[in-house]
Amino acid sequence: EVQLVQSGAEVKKPGTTVKISCKISGHTFTDYCIHWVQQAPGKGLEWMGLIDPDDGDTIYAEKFQSRVTITADTSTGTAYMELSSLRSEDTALYYCAKDDGGPLLPLEYWGQGTLVTVSS
Amino acid sequence: DIVMTQSPDSLAVSLGERATINCKSSQSVLYISNNKNYLAWYQQKPGQPPKLLIYWASTRESGVPDRFSGSGSGTDFTLTISSLQAEDVAVYHCQQYFSTPLTFGGGTKVEIK
Repeated sequence: EVQLVQSGAEVKKPGTTVKISCKISGHTFTDYCIHWVQQAPGKGLEWMGLIDPDDGDTIYAEKFQSRVTITADTSTGTAYMELSSLRSEDTALYYCAKDDGGPLLPLEYWGQGTLVTVSS
Repeated sequence: DIVMTQSPDSLAVSLGERATINCKSSQSVLYISNNKNYLAWYQQKPGQPPKLLIYWASTRESGVPDRFSGSGSGTDFTLTISSLQAEDVAVYHCQQYFSTPLTFGGGTKVEIK
């Protein structure tokens, strides 16, 4: 069974950095891309970017390009999303998701979400 | 970027009745070489992550009840719940995976009338 388990909720001050983890089990880590999706309170879903764990290649949404870094540790089967220069608008649920075998395929499995609260 | 526009924002349907959600893309998500529409639908229940319901615009994910169906091509798509059940109360999102950045519609909230 494929499982994506994310790290716990975070409370951060404006201007700081948050790093969220997503541990994947039940499949070969390097066979799929891992995506990150933001969902602000009461809002829709916004794609942030992806990583191909096989070669470490990343693609970022322009909105987040300057502040987000997505990495993957193939030895532990864990992906990470780091968001810097946090502001109140970054308060949101962050999901990792696994696609179906390539970046242009649907998001087949999702993590449970990690709530990040940015507050002074 | 491909903009996805869903309508309505919300709808209330009686149990056993049909619910129809529309999704329009700002450009075609039909890939001519394989004749596939790069369009997915997700269901998100309160407090849960999204769940993949339909991909390639009309293919149901394994385990999804057949009361859910997807249709459309090019730029106009529809998700239909043929006979609404109580457990279908959720927000439904369409998404294009034709090109990056992947983009989602704003979501449609389905409630019981």
